[in-house]
Amino acid sequence: DAGITQSPRYKITETGRQVTLMCHQTWSHSYMFWYRQDLGHGLRLIYYSAAADITDKGEVPDGYVVSRSKTENFPLTLESATRSQTSVYFCASSEYRRGGRETQYFGPGTRLLVL
Amino acid sequence: QQQVKQSPQSLIVQKGGIPIINCAYENTAFDYFPWYQQFPGKGPALLIAIRPDVSEKKEGRFTISFNKSAKQFSLHIMDSQPGDSATYFCAASIPGTYKYIFGTGTRLKVLA
Repeated sequence: DAGITQSPRYKITETGRQVTLMCHQTWSHSYMFWYRQDLGHGLRLIYYSAAADITDKGEVPDGYVVSRSKTENFPLTLESATRSQTSVYFCASSEYRRGGRETQYFGPGTRLLVL
Repeated sequence: QQQVKQSPQSLIVQKGGIPIINCAYENTAFDYFPWYQQFPGKGPALLIAIRPDVSEKKEGRFTISFNKSAKQFSLHIMDSQPGDSATYFCAASIPGTYKYIFGTGTRLKVLA
């Protein structure tokens, strides 16, 4: 029962490079989310997806791209990494149930350092 | 309007004390208020949640108090233990979207 996994767990890259963070869930949850966590800002939503091929922007989408070709995967790409994107990134998923109020389950996070 | 303001930023209590973490919101359309607990190096995990039609909810040593008229809710941890040392986040759900707005987090340390 793997649940939700993220890879890599740690990543160091340089300014201007493209980086892809992977997220995989085994529950077949409809909804998936990407957050970044920074001191003083809590968790901020980058992008989310309601189903395969349906994605939408969150609070801080600039500089990020997502795709969702399969229900279980939701990769996040930094097209040209900047130092301000140094952060801890969390993927989450939740079931669809009419009326919402579903628990979001979080992965273990990816620590990204952009030099 | 979409913000959730959380306080304090950090909190230190003695073992057995009752730390209280407060959150306030503006958007009266929010319809679900979960609390998440996060240990160092781990992802957040749901601790307890409440709906706005309920004024209090208890699960073990954790209690949420909800004041709809004041647009505030708080987490109380009874008989706190060193193992409760973690970062706590409140959140509010935007109706129909499955999206959460998170507070900025409270780092709690319980001294042995």
